[in-house]
Amino acid sequence: ETGVTQTPRHLVMGMTNKKSLKCEQHLGHNAMYWYKQSAKKPLELMFVYSLEERVENNSVPSRFSPECPNSSHLFLHLHTLQPEDSALYLCASSQDWQGAIGYTFGSGTRLTVV
Amino acid sequence: GQQLNQSPQSMFIQEGEDVSMNCTSSSIFNTWLWYKQDPGEGPVLLIALYKAGELTSNGRLTAQFGITRKDSFLNISASIPSDVGIYFCEGKLIFGQGTELSVKP
Repeated sequence: ETGVTQTPRHLVMGMTNKKSLKCEQHLGHNAMYWYKQSAKKPLELMFVYSLEERVENNSVPSRFSPECPNSSHLFLHLHTLQPEDSALYLCASSQDWQGAIGYTFGSGTRLTVV
Repeated sequence: GQQLNQSPQSMFIQEGEDVSMNCTSSSIFNTWLWYKQDPGEGPVLLIALYKAGELTSNGRLTAQFGITRKDSFLNISASIPSDVGIYFCEGKLIFGQGTELSVKP
């Protein structure tokens, strides 16, 4: 049990589908994050939530829509994705949104857009 | 935007050898964190550094926060097969490109 649980682990979706990724943390942390990890690229920060408020949004296309209903849950809603959006999507949490004492990551959702 | 330059990109070593990797940036960082990612999993925090010049160990791992606050290195001594994975440095929510380590038994 890593403390951060992501579902589903794998997802294949068509470009016209709508799907959601779910993340739940059991650590009592105040901040949650979405990162995108593509092959041969560094982890790219997508969104940061601190105490359920979005504090960072790194120019992510609007086809990705985050939702943070409470400090333990984070969603990433997906619609009309492109094949280049295929990647590993990682959720993380930390005690504070600066991540000064490090992040705890989930195992990720491997997304394939066909 | 800010970038962390991590090197080498990959390493192929023999079991028992020591390994060294580093991260550099053009800007100053107040913290440096090192993570390891196993295949099919998310990164796991290995070592956190908070002061310039700080040298911290975690078992066979040793990491240092550079005096200029623009770099850090991670050493692994006496490597074993389970050290295989990708190692990332991180600061200010930014991750390096990763160093992929392969260990030959």
